[in-house]
Amino acid sequence: NAGVTQTPKFQVLKTGQSMTLQCAQDMNHEYMSWYRQDPGMGLRLIHYSVGAGITDQGEVPNGYNVSRSTTEDFPLRLLSAAPSQTSVYFCASSPSGGEMNTEAFFGQGTRLTVV
Amino acid sequence: EDQVTQSPEALRLQEGESSSLNCSYTVSGLRGLFWYRQDPGKGPEFLFTLYSAGEEKEKERLKATLTKKESFLHITAPKPEDSATYLCAVGHQAGTALIFGKGTTLSVSS
Repeated sequence: NAGVTQTPKFQVLKTGQSMTLQCAQDMNHEYMSWYRQDPGMGLRLIHYSVGAGITDQGEVPNGYNVSRSTTEDFPLRLLSAAPSQTSVYFCASSPSGGEMNTEAFFGQGTRLTVV
Repeated sequence: EDQVTQSPEALRLQEGESSSLNCSYTVSGLRGLFWYRQDPGKGPEFLFTLYSAGEEKEKERLKATLTKKESFLHITAPKPEDSATYLCAVGHQAGTALIFGKGTTLSVSS
């Protein structure tokens, strides 16, 4: 009954370092997405994927890369970390709903600090 | 521009004091409105989906309603364990991720 699993839960990076936030889901959902949550800003969409091999940009994609080689995994890569990327990152997955959106199921989040 | 606005930003209630949270939206073709609960340090937890104006959903002390321009989350006789941030989100285009409001932080004291 794992759902959406994110690793790591906490991470401290130095400016300029790169890293990958991992996200895996075991619900066979087609749609996966990455959000960041900052105080007073709500959840903002970084990148999303509608299926293996297909990704697209969200509202705040700069500085991040994604790929979707399998249905289960959707890693988020920080290319060169900046203090502005200090945030809590959430991965979510949704089943296909045809013409309608369906509810997203979220992981527990990764708290990232860039110093 | 598609937008979701929640009000109030924060709400303090006494135990048993019923109230409502508001979510107003402007999207070009609503494809679902979603309510979530988020506890500190946790990911958002799904509560309700509404697809059509006039639709209502209930779960324990919570009831969500939908009109063509807004949704309400009614909380009846709240308890301290209902304290959390409540998030509203809309789907505006099939196959894409949701657009979230900034949330309402509810505090219920005994």
